[in-house]
Amino acid sequence: KAGVTQTPRYLIKTRGQQVTLSCSPISGHRSVSWYQQTPGQGLQFLFEYFSETQRNKGNFPGRFSGRQFSNSRSEMNVSTLELGDSALYLCASSFTGSDTGELFFGEGSRLTVL
Amino acid sequence: GENVEQHPSTLSVQEGDSAVIKCTYSDSASNYFPWYKQELGKRPQLIIDIRSNVGEKKDQRIAVTLNKTAKHFSLHITETQPEDSAVYFCAASSGTGNQFYFGTGTSLTVIP
Repeated sequence: KAGVTQTPRYLIKTRGQQVTLSCSPISGHRSVSWYQQTPGQGLQFLFEYFSETQRNKGNFPGRFSGRQFSNSRSEMNVSTLELGDSALYLCASSFTGSDTGELFFGEGSRLTVL
Repeated sequence: GENVEQHPSTLSVQEGDSAVIKCTYSDSASNYFPWYKQELGKRPQLIIDIRSNVGEKKDQRIAVTLNKTAKHFSLHITETQPEDSAVYFCAASSGTGNQFYFGTGTSLTVIP
C-alpha cells in the first residue's frame, strides 16, 4: 500500500506570496489532518478533514485554509505569507471515522519564507 | 483547549539503560494518548498508544503508563539501543476525529 504523499517536498517563497500544499492519503483513509512542525514547538494542529468536511480546526489565523476532494486528497493554502510561516508542514491520514486512531504521516513539505 | 507538556526536552542514556519520558495534559476529557517516534529527517511514526480505560500497555521493550487522576502519562524504554535515538512526541486527543495536541518532543540519544 502506498504511503501518504505530499507535494512539493521543498519550496521557497517570499513574504506576501501564497502557497498551496497537496496531500494524497493512504487508499481508503478518509480523514486527513495537517500539522505545522517548527523547532521547539513540536507539532501544532491546523485542521482535519473527513469526507470533504472540515471536522476540526486548530488555533491558526484565517490565512491558513484547506479543503478535501471527493477522492480524499487534500490541499492546504497559506495566503499572505509571513516569515514565521517557515516550517515543515505535515499531512497525516487515518482510517478511523469517529474514533481517534493512528495517524500515518507524510514526509512533509518544507516551506521557507524569505 | 488541551495543553500537553513534555519533559525532558533532551535525554542521553548509555546503551542498555532505561529511558523515561513524561507528559502531562490538562483536559480531563482526553481519552487517547499515542507516542510517536521521529528519526532525523523522517516522518513521525506511532510506536505505542493507550486509551483512558487502560493503566498500562507494553510492547516488547516499550511501555506506556497512564495516571488519569494526575493527568500524566509516561513512555518507558528498557534496554535502550542506538537505533532508539530519535525525537519522541507524546500526544493527547479527546474529541471526535483526529485532532491531536502534541508535546514539544524529547530528543533521545543512546550512547553506544
